[in-house]
Amino acid sequence: EAGVAQSPRYKIIEKRQSVAFWCNPISGHATLYWYQQILGQGPKLLIQFQNNGVVDDSQLPKDRFSAERLKGVDSTLKIQPAKLEDSAVYLCASSFHGGAGEQYFGPGTRLTVT
Amino acid sequence: TQLLEQSPQFLSIQEGENLTVYCNSSSVFSSLQWYRQEPGEGPVLLVTVVTGGEVKKLKRLTFQFGDARKDSSLHITAAQPGDTGLYLCAGGVNTDKLIFGTGTRLQVFP
Repeated sequence: EAGVAQSPRYKIIEKRQSVAFWCNPISGHATLYWYQQILGQGPKLLIQFQNNGVVDDSQLPKDRFSAERLKGVDSTLKIQPAKLEDSAVYLCASSFHGGAGEQYFGPGTRLTVT
Repeated sequence: TQLLEQSPQFLSIQEGENLTVYCNSSSVFSSLQWYRQEPGEGPVLLVTVVTGGEVKKLKRLTFQFGDARKDSSLHITAAQPGDTGLYLCAGGVNTDKLIFGTGTRLQVFP
C-alpha cells in the first residue's frame, strides 16, 4: 500500500515570496490533515479536511495561508507572502476514520524562508 | 486550550540503559497515542491506549495511560541506537482530533 506522498521535499524561498506544497493521501482515506512542525517540536494542526470539506481550520493563519482539497483526494497548502517564522516542516497526514484515530504521515516538506 | 507537556525535552543515553518519557496534561483525553519520528520522516504510530490505567507492551517499550486519562508514560528497556528519534504523545479530544505533545528527542549512543 502506497503511503502519503508529499512534494517538494525541500524548498528555500525569500520572505514575501509565495510557495505551495502538494499532498496525495493514502487511497480511500477520507480525512486529510496539514500540520506545521517547528524543529524539535510537536506538530501543530493547521487544517483538517473531511473529503473536500474543512472540518477545522482554527489555527490556520488565514491572512497568508490557504489550503484546498479538490475532489476530496489531493490537497495543496499555499503560503503567500511567506515570513521568516514560517520556516518549518509541513506535514501532511491522512486517516481512514478521522477523529482521534491513527494518522499516517508523509515525509514532510522542509521550508526555509530567508 | 488543551496542552500536552512532555519531559524530558532531550535525553542522551548509552546503549543498554533504561529510560522513561512522560506526557502530562491538565485535561482528560479520550485516548492517547505515541508516535516516533526519525529525521527527515513523518511520525509513525507506536501504540494507542484508550482505558485509564491501561498498560501496553511492544517488545522493549512499555506504555501506560494514567488512571485519570490525563497523563501517560513510555518506558524503554535496554535502549538501542535504533531507538533514536523524536517521541511524540498525542491526545484524542472527544474523538474529534489529536493534540500533539511538545516532543522528547532521544539519542542513544553505541
